[in-house]
Amino acid sequence: AQKVTQAQTEISVVEKEDVTLDCVYETRDTTYYLFWYKQPPSGELVFLIRRNSFDEQNEISGRYSWNFQKSTSSFNFTITASQVVDSAVYFCALSEAGYGGATNKLIFGTGTLLAVQP
Amino acid sequence: ETGVTQTPRHLVMGMTNKKSLKCEQHLGHNAMYWYKQSAKKPLELMFVYSLEERVENNSVPSRFSPECPNSSHLFLHLHTLQPEDSALYLCASGRLAPGGANVLTFGAGSRLTVL
Repeated sequence: AQKVTQAQTEISVVEKEDVTLDCVYETRDTTYYLFWYKQPPSGELVFLIRRNSFDEQNEISGRYSWNFQKSTSSFNFTITASQVVDSAVYFCALSEAGYGGATNKLIFGTGTLLAVQP
Repeated sequence: ETGVTQTPRHLVMGMTNKKSLKCEQHLGHNAMYWYKQSAKKPLELMFVYSLEERVENNSVPSRFSPECPNSSHLFLHLHTLQPEDSALYLCASGRLAPGGANVLTFGAGSRLTVL
């Protein structure tokens, strides 16, 4: 069965520190998509990134970077030089091509609360 | 401003009340979703509407009744709820894409408290 695990419930760092949020997933499909969303205190989930299962290249976007490793079923997210505005809950999610194709539904992890202290 | 608008943002109701949550999107999306977010739990998918037809109902109790009158609007009708139904209810929309590539756009949620 498909599952997403975010083992880190809460992380607290001081501004300018680097921080990595872990995500491990389970799926039987060979074709799937992985996502990261950010949920600030205002409540709405904000899309950050989508990767498909055939593209293992790491991606960097400003201070954000993502490390996708199929061998360990992990899709980790690193924030470099963290800022107070990065404080939020971060969710990793999985969408399977076969099972979810008709509805494109997302299976979410429990989220990691990141607190960046000034 | 988010492309998905949810009202009300906060709702307090008694167990015998009937209320509705509303979701609206004008992004041209053809699928809409209700998720429930409870503390310490993954977001739970409740309902999926594709082209205004309900295509998934994840064993949600009948006290939750969804309605999708058109592609831009989605409602969640609530009646005789229980205190354990207190949660943040998130609406999302997306454009169905092959292979599960759909990126969902979420609203800010409706915080429901059942007394």
